[in-house]
Amino acid sequence: ETGVTQSPTHLIKTRGQQVTLRCSSQSGHNTVSWYQQALGQGPQFIFQYYREEENGRGNFPPRFSGLQFPNYSSELNVNALELDDSALYLCASSRGTGEGYTFGSGTRLTVV
Amino acid sequence: GQQLNQSPQSMFIQEGEDVSMNCTSSSIFNTWLWYKQDPGEGPVLLIALYKAGELTSNGRLTAQFGITRKDSFLNISASIPSDVGIYFCAGPASLGSGNTGKLIFGQGTTLQVKP
Repeated sequence: ETGVTQSPTHLIKTRGQQVTLRCSSQSGHNTVSWYQQALGQGPQFIFQYYREEENGRGNFPPRFSGLQFPNYSSELNVNALELDDSALYLCASSRGTGEGYTFGSGTRLTVV
Repeated sequence: GQQLNQSPQSMFIQEGEDVSMNCTSSSIFNTWLWYKQDPGEGPVLLIALYKAGELTSNGRLTAQFGITRKDSFLNISASIPSDVGIYFCAGPASLGSGNTGKLIFGQGTTLQVKP
C-alpha cells in the first residue's frame, strides 16, 4: 500500500495570498486530518474530514478550509495568508476516526 | 484546555547510553502515543499505549502508560546515531465539540547522539 503523499514539499507565498495544499491518503483510508506545526513546536490540529465532511475542528479561523474527495485525496486551503501561517503543514490519514494515523512528510509553507 | 508537557526539552548523549523522557498532563488521557520525527519528515508512530499501567516494547524502545493516566515515559536503550530526532508524546483530545479525531501533541524532546 502506498503511504501518505503531500504536495508541494515547499512553497513560498506573499502575505494576503491564498494557498492550496494537497494530500493523497493511503488507499482505504476514509479519514484525513490536517495539522500545523510551527518551528520548534508539536503539531496543532486544524481539522478532520471523514467521508468528505468536516468531522472536527481545532482553534483555527474560517480562512482555513478543506475538502476531501472520493479518491482519498484532500486539500487544505488558506485564504488571506498571514506571516504567522508560516509552518509545516501535515496531513494524516486513517481507516476510521479512532484509528492510528499515518502522517505525510508535510508541506513547508513560508509566508513573506 | 488539555496540554501535554514533555521533559527534557533536549538531550545530548553518547552512543550506547540509555535515554529516558517523559510526558505529563494535568488531565487524564485514555491513550498515549509516542512519535518520532526526523528532519523534513512527518511524525512516525513508535508505540501506542491503551491501558493504565501498560508497559510496551518495540525493539530498543519501551514505553509505559502511567497508573494515574496523566503521564507516560519512553525509554531508549543502547542509543545509536539513527535515534537522533524529535520525540513527541500525543493523546486523543477528550470528547467534545470539534474534538473528534484531534490528537494533542507535546512540544517534543530533541535527541542528539554523539558517535
